[in-house]
Amino acid sequence: DAKTTQPPSMDCAEGRAANLPCNHSTISGNEYVYWYRQIHSQGPQYIIHGLKNNETNEMASLIITEDRKSSTLILPHATLRDTAVYYCIVRVAINSGYALNFGKGTSLLVTP
Amino acid sequence: GAGVSQSPRYKVAKRGQDVALRCDPISGHVSLFWYQQALGQGPEFLTYFQNEAQLDKSGLPSDRFFAERPEGSVSTLKIQRTQQEDSAVYLCASSPNEGLGTEAFFGQGTRLTVV
Repeated sequence: DAKTTQPPSMDCAEGRAANLPCNHSTISGNEYVYWYRQIHSQGPQYIIHGLKNNETNEMASLIITEDRKSSTLILPHATLRDTAVYYCIVRVAINSGYALNFGKGTSLLVTP
Repeated sequence: GAGVSQSPRYKVAKRGQDVALRCDPISGHVSLFWYQQALGQGPEFLTYFQNEAQLDKSGLPSDRFFAERPEGSVSTLKIQRTQQEDSAVYLCASSPNEGLGTEAFFGQGTRLTVV
């Protein structure tokens, strides 16, 4: 199963873009990259996912390198409420379905 | 309610006691997952149900852990003879599809403390 590597923590000033990197050098051709976040004392929340094209939704943008060995999650205008742990995940196949292996994530602190 | 509901939110158990944690998934969701999250760590997969069938239980740490979803809706995670290392937040997630992906919704979890 492909593993991901993320920095343990990052800071970002409110209103600035937060760029969260992730390495997944062992990803295979049909494995998706997912990003979830977990705000303190809550369950994880889906943000975005992609296979090989860049993706954008109302929450964030996902930039995947051409070789698919790394990706970056971009929060274009970070707010204090974006303070959370962000998980970069390669979805894995399990018996008759898929699961998400979360890893330790990046703890993002957005400061005033 | 509209989301995944877990109860109780907090549980304190004496070592050796049995506990049962409940998950009410979103109505109609096919897939249901249990995860365990130790302090400072990411969630770790425990087990997966598709309707009432438990299709994967490879993440259950020991035979003291047992999960069921008898009617394909509500699920219960039972831990027998609890030990201190079982202290963690237990998260439940449901999805309308097979497996976990974009439409997965997590509950707030049950924080279990074994004393």
